[in-house]
Amino acid sequence: QVQLQESGPGLVKPSETLSLTCTVSGYSITSGYYWGWIRQPPGKGLEWIGSFYHGGNTYYNPSLKSRVTMSLDTSKNQFSLKVSSVTAADTAVYYCSRKNSGNDYFDYWGQGTLVTVSS
Amino acid sequence: QTVVTQEPSFSVSPGGTVTLTCGLSSGSVSTSYYPSWYQQTPGQAPRTLIYNTNSRSSGVPDRFSGSILGNKAALTITGAQADDESDYYCVLIMADGVSVFGGGTKLTVL
Repeated sequence: QVQLQESGPGLVKPSETLSLTCTVSGYSITSGYYWGWIRQPPGKGLEWIGSFYHGGNTYYNPSLKSRVTMSLDTSKNQFSLKVSSVTAADTAVYYCSRKNSGNDYFDYWGQGTLVTVSS
Repeated sequence: QTVVTQEPSFSVSPGGTVTLTCGLSSGSVSTSYYPSWYQQTPGQAPRTLIYNTNSRSSGVPDRFSGSILGNKAALTITGAQADDESDYYCVLIMADGVSVFGGGTKLTVL
């Protein structure tokens, strides 16, 4: 069974960089599929951040592209997200996900982690 | 940027049928957008319901179905139950590979 688990600081100061890690179990992240991130501000809807394929294409939400970096750590079967120059608007529950590339949908989700941007 | 539209809210009676839609601010939704649908209850991660327009995810009851209705993707719940009361989100995949979520529909069963 594929499982994803987010981890990282729950509080980040404005103008700093938000960093999260997603640990994947039950599937090797180098074996295919897209991996990525989705977020949800409190009381609001879901927003796709980006998805990438090991050794292949990376796709970003155009509105976040300039501040977002995604990367893989294949030795730990993890992938990570960095969002730079954060503001209060980046406060959200962040979900990591696997995207089924054949049918283009999010088939596995992490439980989510709340990141608050505040001084 | 393309906007994906959903009804902000909808209500259905227990046992009734409801159809939620997913449209585009400009243009028509087709199967080429690989519409998918997700259900979310408060405090929980989204659950995948439908992918590739009309395929049900594993374990999803057959009272949930997906389709294209006119120029929109649609999620139909037949025989609504109390625990179907949730937020429902659609996702469309744009030609450039970008995924766009709709704003979500809050479904009330009463």
